[in-house]
Amino acid sequence: GEDVEQSLFLSVREGDSSVINCTYTDSSSTYLYWYKQEPGAGLQLLTYIFSNMDMKQDQRLTVLLNKKDKHLSLRIADTQTGDSAIYFCAEEDAGAGSYQLTFGKGTKLSVIP
Amino acid sequence: GAVVSQHPSRVICKSGTSVKIECRSLDFQATTMFWYRQFPKKSLMLMATSNEGSKATYEQGVEKDKFLINHASLTLSTLTVTSAHPEDSSFYICSANEDQTATYGYTFGSGTRLTVV
Repeated sequence: GEDVEQSLFLSVREGDSSVINCTYTDSSSTYLYWYKQEPGAGLQLLTYIFSNMDMKQDQRLTVLLNKKDKHLSLRIADTQTGDSAIYFCAEEDAGAGSYQLTFGKGTKLSVIP
Repeated sequence: GAVVSQHPSRVICKSGTSVKIECRSLDFQATTMFWYRQFPKKSLMLMATSNEGSKATYEQGVEKDKFLINHASLTLSTLTVTSAHPEDSSFYICSANEDQTATYGYTFGSGTRLTVV
């Protein structure tokens, strides 16, 4: 089946940039998503990118997509302690109306004050 | 690596009927599993935490009589949507953690698209 991989941990200092990386295997991915999960909560959709785009910026968030290498990254500028959470990468294959979401295991971001 | 199998991937049912969704941990034991529902704008709301051998812990606002959760074994949790209505149509997904003591490294099922007609 399809696979989404991301590293489990990332630690950064407050004020620095965070870059969370993700790789996926599905060549027919339609959308790629980044979710944020705080302890005990659901998964909040942060941003997404359509597969024919290579970059999307939304305030402090920048998503880069390298479709050739099937590599997705999320950059958080000026990381704050409130950004400490687990970040999930997910890809959606909407081909033939199948609508399947495949998640990575999540990257736990720790922000050091 | 850890695999969570979720079935069915898609289901269409008539209003008033019940639908069961299964979530299995294939190569590890999961004393805890999590059930989510996807809402517009595609955020996933945590519905409940399923605990093996005991009652599930439901989040505020989730009707436990409507969404029955059973976690009878260490590898299987089920979510039954009872007396389904069109507003229950959504995408439901489960997750589990191979390391029960960890707060990271979750494995998700592939999700179930429920359509109630």
